[in-house]
Amino acid sequence: RKEVEQDPGPFNVPEGATVAFNCTYSNSASQSFFWYRQDCRKEPKLLMSVYSSGNEDGRFTAQLNRASQYISLLIRDSKLSDSATYLCVVTFSGYSTLTFGKGTMLLVSP
Amino acid sequence: DVKVTQSSRYLVKRTGEKVFLECVQDMDHENMFWYRQDPGLGLRLIYFSYDVKMKEKGDIPEGYSVSREKKERFSLILESASTNQTSMYLCASTGVNNQPQHFGDGTRLSIL
Repeated sequence: RKEVEQDPGPFNVPEGATVAFNCTYSNSASQSFFWYRQDCRKEPKLLMSVYSSGNEDGRFTAQLNRASQYISLLIRDSKLSDSATYLCVVTFSGYSTLTFGKGTMLLVSP
Repeated sequence: DVKVTQSSRYLVKRTGEKVFLECVQDMDHENMFWYRQDPGLGLRLIYFSYDVKMKEKGDIPEGYSVSREKKERFSLILESASTNQTSMYLCASTGVNNQPQHFGDGTRLSIL
């Protein structure tokens, strides 16, 4: 069974903090990995893809550990606007479908 | 930018009605998807289509059907709406396997 597991949170952090989320996946044939962001009552939006060598986009860093089957998202210098639910997403070779985790909620407070 | 447009943001229907949710994308994508999202259950795939007139069942197809007569349009049909189909419905598209999907704004459907 294809499964993606995330801690639902919420993670409550003050502005300026560094916060990290992990996500584990059960299928070793997983091919591609993404982090999506979803604001309350809005659609999910792609935050970043996750590459094998790890990648960074401004304050956001994504890492992939294939041996342990997890991916991570690190957010530095948290902003109030980072408050959202972060969805871990995995695809499998040859499939167009995505498997979504249920999301981790982040709340950044002043 | 990819644009995925869903016909309604909010919709209220009655039990037993036939309900149509429409989705249009403007990027000539082959693959289109319908999800529903409920609190605590996350996104669940209802149906998807990888080409015109082609459709595949997702994880929860019961009570739904779909139609893909043109490449840019993918319709979700609730044959006889029931209260347990009250949910947020999201349409998405992608051009290539293993690539991220782009979502529409969603339709909040209430069945009374």
